Amino acid sequence: DAKTTQPNSMESNEEEPVHLPCNHSTISGTDYIHWYRQLPSQGPEYVIHGLTSNVNNRMASLAIAEDRKSSTLILHRATLRDAAVYYCILRDRPGGSEKLVFGKGTKLTVNP
Amino acid sequence: KAGVTQTPRYLIKTRGQQVTLSCSPISGHRSVSWYQQTPGQGLQFLFEYFSETQRNKGNFPGRFSGRQFSNSRSEMNVSTLELGDSALYLCASSRSQETQYFGPGTRLLVL
Repeated sequence: DAKTTQPNSMESNEEEPVHLPCNHSTISGTDYIHWYRQLPSQGPEYVIHGLTSNVNNRMASLAIAEDRKSSTLILHRATLRDAAVYYCILRDRPGGSEKLVFGKGTKLTVNP
Repeated sequence: KAGVTQTPRYLIKTRGQQVTLSCSPISGHRSVSWYQQTPGQGLQFLFEYFSETQRNKGNFPGRFSGRQFSNSRSEMNVSTLELGDSALYLCASSRSQETQYFGPGTRLLVL
């Protein structure tokens, strides 16, 4: 399974942008980059995913490096509700496994 | 649309007992995956079922087993419980090859 590397923790202030980095130097050509987050006392929830191009949705933006060896999840205006552990995961598809390989993730603290 | 539901939410067992956990996927989702989450090991994949067949399995001993019914509901069973099996057990459902949606989990404590 291709591995990802994330900082253990990051801190942000409310209403400021947050950039969460992820390194995946061994990514293969068919790996999609997925981000999930886990709020306290909840199961993980999907945030965003992409292959090569930058992606935006109502929750966040995903910026993917040109060589695809790294990516950054961007929360444009952090709120207290965004305090969670963020996981960057590589997932092979189509025809790939449903299995998600979670690393340790980045624990994001949002200060009021 | 109702989300993934798991029952029970909390469970206390003693060593040597066995336990069965249940997961009801989102309507229309045929894939159900199970994960174990502990402070030491993090989130680890247990197995995945699709159309009543186990399609993928993680590195867990045979004491951990599961099954899926024709309505896509799934159960996982752990026999001969050990203290180290204390964990949050998470179930996720998806239409195959798409986003996985996780339930709130069952927190198991083995005494």
